[in-house]
Amino acid sequence: AQSVSQHNHHVILSEAASLELGCNYSYGGTVNLFWYVQYPGQHLQLLLKYFSGDPLVKGIKGFEAEFIKSKFSFNLRKPSVQWSDTAEYFCAVRFGDMRFGAGTRLTVKP
Amino acid sequence: EAGVAQSPRYKIIEKRQSVAFWCNPISGHATLYWYQQILGQGPKLLIQFQNNGVVDDSQLPKDRFSAERLKGVDSTLKIQPAKLEDSAVYLCASSLGGAGILDYNEQFFGPGTRLTVL
Repeated sequence: AQSVSQHNHHVILSEAASLELGCNYSYGGTVNLFWYVQYPGQHLQLLLKYFSGDPLVKGIKGFEAEFIKSKFSFNLRKPSVQWSDTAEYFCAVRFGDMRFGAGTRLTVKP
Repeated sequence: EAGVAQSPRYKIIEKRQSVAFWCNPISGHATLYWYQQILGQGPKLLIQFQNNGVVDDSQLPKDRFSAERLKGVDSTLKIQPAKLEDSAVYLCASSLGGAGILDYNEQFFGPGTRLTVL
């Protein structure tokens, strides 16, 4: 069955640290890949997406993600996090319908 | 541009009662989604509409959940009767249109309705 896995439930970083959040999926066919973010008290919003082309995708607020097809992965990265990046991050994969991972809560200490 | 509107924002009911949620998508968006997000989990798709037709309701518990989008705009999701395990946030999202695996349109999410079943 198709599934989406996020490896970390809660990540705590200090400001200026680098971030990498893991996302893996199980499905051998064509997929669309997304990262969503939910800031405290706000709606889910799209950070970035991948449909085809360059596997390194740049999104808003300095985030990027790399699609590695052979590893069924779509990890999210940011070279230097800020306190304002504190939020919950969801990886999502569209196999046909949209499947979300369980989310990773990121806490950035000032 | 106005976002996706949902009401109510919070609802507390007792088990076996009925409840309904309302969603008004972004103007011009043909596709509307209802998701259920249980605490500690990611959103799970319940139903997807394209205009007023159902595209996918494979994960909707049809013995107690129903949804409609009669005029292809607003939508309501109903639970009757509610169970304790229905406690969750119910999210509505909309997109410009297109269904299926190669839908290139971004989904915009509403604030959600937090349901507590006692």
